[in-house]
Amino acid sequence: DSGVTQTPKHLITATGQRVTLRCSPRSGDLSVYWYQQSLDQGLQFLIQYYNGEERAKGNILERFSAQQFPDLHSELNLSSLELGDSALYFCASSVVGRADEQFFGPGTRLTVL
Amino acid sequence: AQSVTQLDSQVPVFEEAPVELRCNYSSSVSVYLFWYVQYPNQGLQLLLKYLSGSTLVKGINGFEAEFNKSQTSFHLRKPSVHISDTAEYFCAVTIQGAQKLVFGQGTRLTINP
Repeated sequence: DSGVTQTPKHLITATGQRVTLRCSPRSGDLSVYWYQQSLDQGLQFLIQYYNGEERAKGNILERFSAQQFPDLHSELNLSSLELGDSALYFCASSVVGRADEQFFGPGTRLTVL
Repeated sequence: AQSVTQLDSQVPVFEEAPVELRCNYSSSVSVYLFWYVQYPNQGLQLLLKYLSGSTLVKGINGFEAEFNKSQTSFHLRKPSVHISDTAEYFCAVTIQGAQKLVFGQGTRLTINP
């Protein structure tokens, strides 16, 4: 158990819908990262937050957005969902935002029908 | 930009046999290298990492990896595998000060009795 929690574990929805994925980092970690794992693209970095502010952006679509709240939990919002958005979404956290010390959560599996 | 190539998408081996999972990277600057394991229906767990120092890195569960700068490789090895090692293995790279990990496509290790 990494100490990073993600909810829900599974999510099934329809095309065109909007969903919110939630991540709680390890106690004391200030930075949260979001990754997408799909059959087509593999594991890709989406976005990073550090202490409430966006720190780095990767291959994140404009239909996707994220935020980190004062209690340091983070939410990833996915809108206008398409079939190709079906994937496993991982959250990771680290103490000070260094990529070499990330701990990953169990993931949220999103299925878009 | 950095990139990672895992040379084998699937590796079947017999139980108690040795295994090597191959990883090559591309970067114009010094890198940090990682191997993660993903057991079925679980998140990513760090096996080992190379930041600096000795090029032979020992990790959890009897795995080790060797950093070879001239060949830009970071191959993962285990002298004797067990059924419980069945999983997907990901090689990843980052650079000092970077915010994200760049992952390879993964290698599925299957252990046959």
